Amino acid sequence: ETGVTQSPTHLIKTRGQQVTLRCSSQSGHNTVSWYQQALGQGPQFIFQYYREEENGRGNFPPRFSGLQFPNYSSELNVNALELDDSALYLCASSVPGQGTNYGYTFGSGTRLTVV
Amino acid sequence: LAKTTQPISMDSYEGQEVNITCSHNNIATNDYITWYQQFPSQGPRFIIQGYKTKVTNEVASLFIPADRKSSTLSLPRVSLSDTAVYYCLVGPYKAAGNKLTFGGGTRVLVKP
Repeated sequence: ETGVTQSPTHLIKTRGQQVTLRCSSQSGHNTVSWYQQALGQGPQFIFQYYREEENGRGNFPPRFSGLQFPNYSSELNVNALELDDSALYLCASSVPGQGTNYGYTFGSGTRLTVV
Repeated sequence: LAKTTQPISMDSYEGQEVNITCSHNNIATNDYITWYQQFPSQGPRFIIQGYKTKVTNEVASLFIPADRKSSTLSLPRVSLSDTAVYYCLVGPYKAAGNKLTFGGGTRVLVKP
């Protein structure tokens, strides 16, 4: 059974640019959530995708968008990058209904640096 | 979702027991308490979850008093590899949108 895979592991972008981060879910998991983790803070929920539709969103502006594909993999897109977008972006896959329990599997994240 | 308060950091030594207490005064009847562990540059990893009394697994124990307004994660005989950030989360078993709400966590440093 494979875990959650994220790519790339590290990325440096310039302010104003756009970025796409990718996530492959754990086998059997059809729900994907994205989190942003600034240095020294806990992860913050961005949004979740289930059956290729957005299913819940945190307090993030519309320039944060996502996609989920039929194979349950997912993308996080961020437009007009700002310096404050520098963070570790985490993807977590789960099975619906398992809520806050061990059903969540996190990837190792993508470290995005905006300069 | 209920807000949680936990110490910012704790130091310990190899072989000792580490106890981290989390306060969640406004926990709701249908809320569960879940703890995650996070190593640097990795995603959080589920440790343990409970509703009341005591839960134990191969990694840790979770103690929850009758009023459920706090909980204590106990890590027995820690090693250097237990150095990590530990997060206490409180929320319904089936949270709307299945979102996890993390606080700042407790940074545990295990010294030789």
